[in-house]
Amino acid sequence: AQTVTQSQPEMSVQEAETVTLSCTYDTSENNYYLFWYKQPPSRQMILVIRQEAYKQQNATENRFSVNFQKAAKSFSLKISDSQLGDTAMYFCASTTGNQFYFGTGTSLTVIP
Amino acid sequence: NAGVMQNPRHLVRRRGQEARLRCSPMKGHSHVYWYRQLPEEGLKFMVYLQKENIIDESGMPKERFSAEFPKEGPSILRIQQVVRGDSAAYFCASSPQWLDGGIQYFGAGTRLSVL
Repeated sequence: AQTVTQSQPEMSVQEAETVTLSCTYDTSENNYYLFWYKQPPSRQMILVIRQEAYKQQNATENRFSVNFQKAAKSFSLKISDSQLGDTAMYFCASTTGNQFYFGTGTSLTVIP
Repeated sequence: NAGVMQNPRHLVRRRGQEARLRCSPMKGHSHVYWYRQLPEEGLKFMVYLQKENIIDESGMPKERFSAEFPKEGPSILRIQQVVRGDSAAYFCASSPQWLDGGIQYFGAGTRLSVL
């Protein structure tokens, strides 16, 4: 089984500033994928970014980027130029195919 | 291309009644996954289905819960004789094939409230 740990239940950031959300995971598999999902108050799960474990290069999607440290089993999400619409729960997840393993989430509030 | 459709969005049941949650995957997707989210928690895997087959039900409670994905129509998660502890948000996800880059596309969820 895999486990995913998010140790920051709540975070806040000023609009236009940068914030980093932490995530660690544990797996015995060699081939896996890591994700960050955003869940706004509407509850819709929105894919933010994906990382393939066999790729060393960190994934980036516009203002979102990750710091993937495979040896340390760490997968943090950096949000640059934070916007009010970034306010949401953020879930880190891992998968080897059949199912996703989710962390408990970080509630991010962007302050105007 | 419509996304994953779940209905109803909200479902209220009294203890002992049955709850039926429906999920229509994205067009062209033949793999469906169900997850449960309890308050203040992350999503927890319940079951993985392909058309007419249950592939992995390791996360399903042994009693009262069942799931199906028939050849025609949506996937159904069925909860018999609901109890208050079943109150949660239930999410469905779909993918076109196994480990298609690992991406699962999620619906907006069904919030089940048991009175």
